[in-house]
Amino acid sequence: AQSVTQLGSHVSVSEGALVLLRCNYSSSVPPYLFWYVQYPNQGLQLLLKYTSAATLVKGINGFEAEFKKSETSFHLTKPSAHMSDAAEYFCAVRTPDQGGKLIFGQGTELSVKP
Amino acid sequence: GAGVSQSPSNKVTEKGKDVELRCDPISGHTALYWYRQSLGQGLEFLIYFQGNSAPDKSGLPSDRFSAERTGGSVSTLTIQRTQQEDSAVYLCASSTDRTGGYTFGSGTRLTVV
Repeated sequence: AQSVTQLGSHVSVSEGALVLLRCNYSSSVPPYLFWYVQYPNQGLQLLLKYTSAATLVKGINGFEAEFKKSETSFHLTKPSAHMSDAAEYFCAVRTPDQGGKLIFGQGTELSVKP
Repeated sequence: GAGVSQSPSNKVTEKGKDVELRCDPISGHTALYWYRQSLGQGLEFLIYFQGNSAPDKSGLPSDRFSAERTGGSVSTLTIQRTQQEDSAVYLCASSTDRTGGYTFGSGTRLTVV
């Protein structure tokens, strides 16, 4: 069965600094991978997705993620953090042999310091 | 509709009472999912409906939980004899296929007192 591990439940960066949120997955078949963002008291919003096309995926709000099969990773990055990026971020995996359900990581809370 | 709609947005109930949570997916989305988000527990899969297929109920935590989807559209998640550990945010999502991401609703915050 597939699983997702997000390293670091809390990450703090300064405004303007690089954002790096780590995600590793486990899957016996080629996965589809997703990053979602959740702002306080809101639902989850899709940031970006990897579905076996280009390995570098660009999403909304300047975020991007690179699928690395050899490292089973799908880390999320943004070159320059903004105060509005403060939120919780979830990595998720979906495989065709498991139907449609997404398996989520535990989430990483991103804080941005002025 | 334009998005996934959930109601109520907040629900406070007494221990032992039954509750019903409603989800109205995006029109045309064939798949509908329920997740539970508890403090410090991440997102827990509950149940998944795909078209006319039998639902995947593998995530339901006990037989007090059930869900139905009428007419391939609106879904209701029912929790019978609520317990304090049922307190959580219940999120509904819908999608069009197995390769894309979901669109989530804003959730129902359930508090059992």
